[in-house]
Amino acid sequence: GENVEQHPSTLSVQEGDSAVIKCTYSDSASNYFPWYKQELGKGPQLIIDIRSNVGEKKDQRIAVTLNKTAKHFSLHITETQPEDSAVYFCAARYPTGNQFYFGTGTSLTVIP
Amino acid sequence: DAGVIQSPRHEVTEMGQEVTLRCKPISGHNSLFWYRQTMMRGLELLIYFNNNVPIDDSGMPEDRFSAKMPNASFSTLKIQPSEPRDSAVYFCASSLGEGGEAFFGQGTRLTVV
Repeated sequence: GENVEQHPSTLSVQEGDSAVIKCTYSDSASNYFPWYKQELGKGPQLIIDIRSNVGEKKDQRIAVTLNKTAKHFSLHITETQPEDSAVYFCAARYPTGNQFYFGTGTSLTVIP
Repeated sequence: DAGVIQSPRHEVTEMGQEVTLRCKPISGHNSLFWYRQTMMRGLELLIYFNNNVPIDDSGMPEDRFSAKMPNASFSTLKIQPSEPRDSAVYFCASSLGEGGEAFFGQGTRLTVV
């Protein structure tokens, strides 16, 4: 099955700096890559996603890049704010079936 | 839409008791997933349904776990008998079709003592 690895497991940045979280996947057939943000006591919330026919997608301060050849994708958060502090998960999905394979999560702390 | 609704939010039970977790997916969504989240293992897919039919239950840890989806708007995850190692947060998620985004509920925090 698909194997998704995520780094780093913890990340601390100063408010206003950028944060980058990286994921790799093993199966080149995977074609959908969402990112989720999980705040304490809540369920994961989809914040951005990218499909395999696109190399980059941006939504305000958040961007995701995908390198299909290298099988890795990254989340970029610019001008970080304290409310960005949370656990972030990447995921990958096969084109057939509907299983999502999740990374192990990155705990992001934005220091005011 | 109210999103995916799970109940209860918290459950504390004694070892050996039966536990039933409930989920109402987003109206119109036809895929439903049950996940378990622990510090050690992260988010694990237990089972998922497509059009109320279980498609993949290979993640269900053992026979003590069972899941049903009697109709498009309701699913249950049952643990009988429960054990302390079942303590975790259980999430339900739903999506529309095979290309749809998955939306998660708020989770049920289960503690088995």
